Amino acid sequence: DVKVTQSSRYLVKRTGEKVFLECVQDMDHENMFWYRQDPGLGLRLIYFSYDVKMKEKGDIPEGYSVSREKKERFSLILESASTNQTSMYLCASSSPRTNYNEQFFGPGTRLTVL
Amino acid sequence: AQKVTQAQTEISVVEKEDVTLDCVYETRDTTYYLFWYKQPPSGELVFLIRRNSFDEQNEISGRYSWNFQKSTSSFNFTITASQVVDSAVYFCALSESNYGQNFVFGPGTRLSVLP
Repeated sequence: DVKVTQSSRYLVKRTGEKVFLECVQDMDHENMFWYRQDPGLGLRLIYFSYDVKMKEKGDIPEGYSVSREKKERFSLILESASTNQTSMYLCASSSPRTNYNEQFFGPGTRLTVL
Repeated sequence: AQKVTQAQTEISVVEKEDVTLDCVYETRDTTYYLFWYKQPPSGELVFLIRRNSFDEQNEISGRYSWNFQKSTSSFNFTITASQVVDSAVYFCALSESNYGQNFVFGPGTRLSVLP
């Protein structure tokens, strides 16, 4: 069974803290994505990566950075968390070799910044 | 640039009613892929269907059916005899790139099926 896992389902942090959200996939996918989901705004792409150590900005990269040191792992970093980063964060992976680039999603991390 | 519109923000139906969720897309590519995902209250997006731009054949899977019409750039999703378990947010999505990087989601439609 294909799997995308995220390190936490729920996370509470304080303003100014450095926050790491981890995502791991076991499907040998080249592409990995980080989205945030807010009511009424749908899914917005923060960053994506199409290969190890490669990254591209999405629609809303400000305040975020990412790291992809290994193919299976894609980390989202909030250098200094702010209250407007309270959101649901979804990780996904896909491959151009399979499934017409269908994205497979993790369960999401609901982050609250106080 | 590609775009996906789901004009219905929220829909409420009573169990056993049929319901159609609309999806309209924009793309300049001739090769593209369309998807529907379901997001139940648990939060995880679940893949429902994909279609490539060369396959306009409609599809039925149980109570679910999809109507793809290139002439109107629409990819609508119908649930027949809706059930409470169908309550979720449904997202339509479009992928232009062969490498899967240009993947755009619509804003989603929240469906509530009332008993």
